[in-house]
Amino acid sequence: QSALTQPPSASGSPGQSVTISCTGTSSDVGGYDYVSWYQQHPGKAPKLMIFDVSKRPSGVPDRFSGSKSGNTASLTVSGLQAEDEADYYCSSYAGSDILFGGGTKLTVL
Amino acid sequence: QITLKESGPTLVKPTQTLTLTCTFSGFSLSTAGVGVGWIRQPPGKALECLALIYWNDDKRYSPSLRSRLTITKDTSKNQVVLTMTNMDPLDTATYYCVHPRGVTCFDSWGQGTLVTVSS
Repeated sequence: QSALTQPPSASGSPGQSVTISCTGTSSDVGGYDYVSWYQQHPGKAPKLMIFDVSKRPSGVPDRFSGSKSGNTASLTVSGLQAEDEADYYCSSYAGSDILFGGGTKLTVL
Repeated sequence: QITLKESGPTLVKPTQTLTLTCTFSGFSLSTAGVGVGWIRQPPGKALECLALIYWNDDKRYSPSLRSRLTITKDTSKNQVVLTMTNMDPLDTATYYCVHPRGVTCFDSWGQGTLVTVSS
């Protein structure tokens, strides 16, 4: 059982928006503004998409956005595209540890 | 450009010790603030942060695996080595070498190496 809780699946049609949640505790998600999101395509290494809750690394489309409220963080993918179909993992700093969620499989219908 | 590459055995027997090497380029582990870490992912399962080592030899370990892990660095060779003792079939996973962005996330990943634990 992963430390952070994510829904196992999410889906949306091309052009739509989808939001993936990540729930932790006041010791991790709620205690620090250090939530990250990773995209992983099958057979590939994860790729950092969002860090520090809502910041995008260079090269990540602005269709990807992050937010946080209390102990729950969210990743929103707007204007869904076929290439967005992948697994998404949240992560949070937790003091001396870095925790991951169980992952959400995003399907573009 | 940061690159990381993992090397080591693809198959180990139960109870054996696993030794993985990460060879990196594009940064130096002698630079203040810089680190290298290891993350694993069992087939079809989630990511798990195993260990991190920083430029000042500060080391962080997964609390649940601390007793089995050792991470070391060779700054002159641009390498970081992870050892994991008493391997079990449940340790079968893809092991990734990663470059931390500070202490909070990972902005570069190696391609990963699949390690299978089986007799």
